[in-house]
Amino acid sequence: KAGVTQTPRYLIKTRGQQVTLSCSPISGHRSVSWYQQTPGQGLQFLFEYFSETQRNKGNFPGRFSGRQFSNSRSEMNVSTLELGDSALYLCASRTSGGEVEQFFGPGTRLTVL
Amino acid sequence: GQQVMQIPQYQHVQEGEDFTTYCNSSTTLSNIQWYKQRPGGHPVFLIQLVKSGEVKKQKRLTFQFGEAKKNSSLHITATQTTDVGTYFCAGSSNTGKLIFGQGTTLQVKP
Repeated sequence: KAGVTQTPRYLIKTRGQQVTLSCSPISGHRSVSWYQQTPGQGLQFLFEYFSETQRNKGNFPGRFSGRQFSNSRSEMNVSTLELGDSALYLCASRTSGGEVEQFFGPGTRLTVL
Repeated sequence: GQQVMQIPQYQHVQEGEDFTTYCNSSTTLSNIQWYKQRPGGHPVFLIQLVKSGEVKKQKRLTFQFGEAKKNSSLHITATQTTDVGTYFCAGSSNTGKLIFGQGTTLQVKP
């Protein structure tokens, strides 16, 4: 079974721009979560989607948004990029709300200049 | 808001020595998960603990969940160079959100 895939793997943007990151979960997995990882703040939960509905949301500003499609693929969008948004963005999938183990993708490394 | 503190931040050990990382939550947790992230890699799920006082073992790794369900530990016996990486705990409250600790980075000298 293929693992979680994320595209693109690397991205360079400038302040004020917006960015869309994509995540394809493991086949059969309906839950997708997004995390931001930085050296200073560590791993921080952004949001979780299950069956196209946002089920949980972390403490991030409204510039961060996401969505999930009927095939469980998910996208996250960051608008009006700031320098502090530079981070590794990880997505993780699991089979359902009851299943514990989540599988992380390789991440998208976003650099904001 | 809910916080999960993890100590130590870094640990350097000689191969063969033991290693322990500790996790403390400001609130009672529904469960706690542990992850390992190798340098340049992504987090990999290790285990979940749910019950008060629960102890689980995976080969040389021993995971404990405190009686009050507010703290947890991961102990590695006789470390090997393959144990190198950052170990994260992640606590879940009844809201379902996962709050990660800052991680403990383990270096093992051969």
